[in-house]
Amino acid sequence: KNQVEQSPQSLIILEGKNCTLQCNYTVSPFSNLRWYKQDTGRGPVSLTIMTFSENTKSNGRYTATLDADTKQSSLHITASQLSDSASYICVVSPTNDYKLSFGAGTTVTVRA
Amino acid sequence: GAVVSQHPSRVICKSGTSVKIECRSLDFQATTMFWYRQFPKQSLMLMATSNEGSKATYEQGVEKDKFLINHASLTLSTLTVTSAHPEDSSFYICSARVGGASYEQYFGPGTRLTVT
Repeated sequence: KNQVEQSPQSLIILEGKNCTLQCNYTVSPFSNLRWYKQDTGRGPVSLTIMTFSENTKSNGRYTATLDADTKQSSLHITASQLSDSASYICVVSPTNDYKLSFGAGTTVTVRA
Repeated sequence: GAVVSQHPSRVICKSGTSVKIECRSLDFQATTMFWYRQFPKQSLMLMATSNEGSKATYEQGVEKDKFLINHASLTLSTLTVTSAHPEDSSFYICSARVGGASYEQYFGPGTRLTVT
């Protein structure tokens, strides 16, 4: 069964600090991995998308890494802002199916 | 580009009534649309997949007679929750796929359904 596990479940950080979220997956065969940001009461918004051959991808203060050998990914948030408070979801897409595998998400709370 | 909208964004209905949620791809044609449900503090759960002009494919455990899905055009899919009950209260999110070799899905902003 294709699974995506994220850690931690939640975290609280002070404004201006950095944090790193983890994602481990068992999806195979693998097409791409995406990180989404979901604000409360909103749909997911794509932050990064990485294919098998990509190791890192940045989008502003968000940097995602991928190790396809160990099936691990991370999302690093630099110099956090209050607006970064949201749920961050790791989503993995197989190569032979349109069905996405969703992680449970990490809830990030940034405090002033 | 690749914008997906949903309407309404919030709806409150009485138990036993039906409510329709629309999902539109605004700037592209979506051969396939997906409907998800999300409960508080949980991730998205796929309910069904709809292809334009054909019957939707429902995931295991999702009642097709309760959640009616219509995908009448390449830019519009609707989800009708029939005879709604309080336990149907949830956040419903649609996504749309461009088609072809691309598996990219674009998500709508979601619809908050509250059944009283």
